[in-house]
Amino acid sequence: LAKTTQPISMDSYEGQEVNITCSHNNIATNDYITWYQQFPSQGPRFIIQGYKTKVTNEVASLFIPADRKSSTLSLPRVSLSDTAVYYCLVGDMGNTGFQKLVFGTGTRLLVSP
Amino acid sequence: NAGVTQTPKFQVLKTGQSMTLQCAQDMNHEYMSWYRQDPGMGLRLIHYSVGAGITDQGEVPNGYNVSRSTTEDFPLRLLSAAPSQTSVYFCASSYLRASSSYEQYFGPGTRLTVT
Repeated sequence: LAKTTQPISMDSYEGQEVNITCSHNNIATNDYITWYQQFPSQGPRFIIQGYKTKVTNEVASLFIPADRKSSTLSLPRVSLSDTAVYYCLVGDMGNTGFQKLVFGTGTRLLVSP
Repeated sequence: NAGVTQTPKFQVLKTGQSMTLQCAQDMNHEYMSWYRQDPGMGLRLIHYSVGAGITDQGEVPNGYNVSRSTTEDFPLRLLSAAPSQTSVYFCASSYLRASSSYEQYFGPGTRLTVT
C-alpha cells in the first residue's frame, strides 16, 4: 500500500504560487511529513518538514490540516529554477523499531516563462 | 565537512559480476540508507541502517547485501549483477529520531550500467 499519493505532474508559470497536495490517509500518530526536491541527475534535497498546522521557511510553506491526512507544499512566486520533482514522505515502521523513509512517486513540476 | 560521499560515480558491469558501492558520511549520523532510481522513476529504498551492526530491508532488497561495521560507512554489495539492476544508486544519512522527523542528506549518486 502506498503511504503517500501525489499528482504525477503540475505546470505553472514564473511568478505564480504553486500548491502541491499530498494524501497520507494512514499517517501514524508520531509521523512527520517531509518534503524533498530533486533536480535531474542529483540526489533529493530536504525542503521542509512539519507535524501539524503550518510551517514556513525561506523556501516554502507547509500546511497540515487538523486530521493530518493530507499536506500541502506551497512554493511562492516560482521561477524556472523551481522546475524539479517534489516528493512527500511520511515514515514507515521498520523491523529495527525505528522509522524508515520510503519515497512515493513524486510530483514533476514544470515552470514555464 | 564532506557530507555524504559515494564512489564510484560511474560503473559498468557485466552480468554476473559482483561489486561494492561505497558510501561514507562525516556527520556522525546514525541513520543511513540506500535507494535506487530507475530512469524517469521515483526512489526505492533498498536497505537502511540505524547504527553500527543494525540493518534492515527496504522495498527492493533482493540481489543486494549491506553491513554497517562503523558509523561512517555503509557499503552496498551487488552479489551477481543483472541488467535489471541498471540504475542510479543514492546513499543518504541523517540523525536518528524516535519519530519520522529525519532530514536526510543525499550523496551525488553512482550510475551503474549492467550489460
